[in-house]
Amino acid sequence: AQKITQTQPGMFVQEKEAVTLDCTYDTSDQSYGLFWYKQPSSGEMIFLIYQGSYDEQNATEGRYSLNFQKARKSANLVISASQLGDSAMYFCAMREGSGVQGAQKLVFGQGTRLTINP
Amino acid sequence: GAVVSQHPSRVICKSGTSVKIECRSLDFQATTMFWYRQFPKQSLMLMATSNEGSKATYEQGVEKDKFLINHASLTLSTLTVTSAHPEDSSFYICSARVPTTRGRRQYFGPGTRLTVT
Repeated sequence: AQKITQTQPGMFVQEKEAVTLDCTYDTSDQSYGLFWYKQPSSGEMIFLIYQGSYDEQNATEGRYSLNFQKARKSANLVISASQLGDSAMYFCAMREGSGVQGAQKLVFGQGTRLTINP
Repeated sequence: GAVVSQHPSRVICKSGTSVKIECRSLDFQATTMFWYRQFPKQSLMLMATSNEGSKATYEQGVEKDKFLINHASLTLSTLTVTSAHPEDSSFYICSARVPTTRGRRQYFGPGTRLTVT
């Protein structure tokens, strides 16, 4: 079964608009972490934001926020005031367990290609 | 933030030869590094977890004799693709875990594009 599902293969948004990228996950662990990474055409993976399963507040990092709905097992990324430089692939990833020992690996979704139009 | 480098960034080799890719943590010590593979327009797939001073842990379906991993120091892990074939052509990315960061975040290298002719 897919652990991380990103249902939007591609998204097209006008510059300065807000955009929401969907991510749902599947785990039976109580402790887990959710990450969003951006991959521009250069290929590097750029960390955007992290949400822990026990975090009560939604994570925010500048223009990025994570809409964490634990009961629905969703962790959508919201980018406010989109910019042309936001055009890239976006991956949602999950780490099961606390990451202290043992389970440290990340499982990635299939990604969403975001295109910002001027 | 933490920096991870990879070398080479691109490599072209002939079928049957071996290729070594280096992954270095530049400003921190990494007891654990990860090697991923990414085919065009696809997601990252974890190949193996590299632990300093011990054997790597390979994911199911990854041939350990073909993809040799050596984590000889706290700042260097190497992936050697042995007897490379065209189907091994891919984008290989390493990452290193920084335990002190929130979420014990993984920092990624810039990747190595391998083409086997």
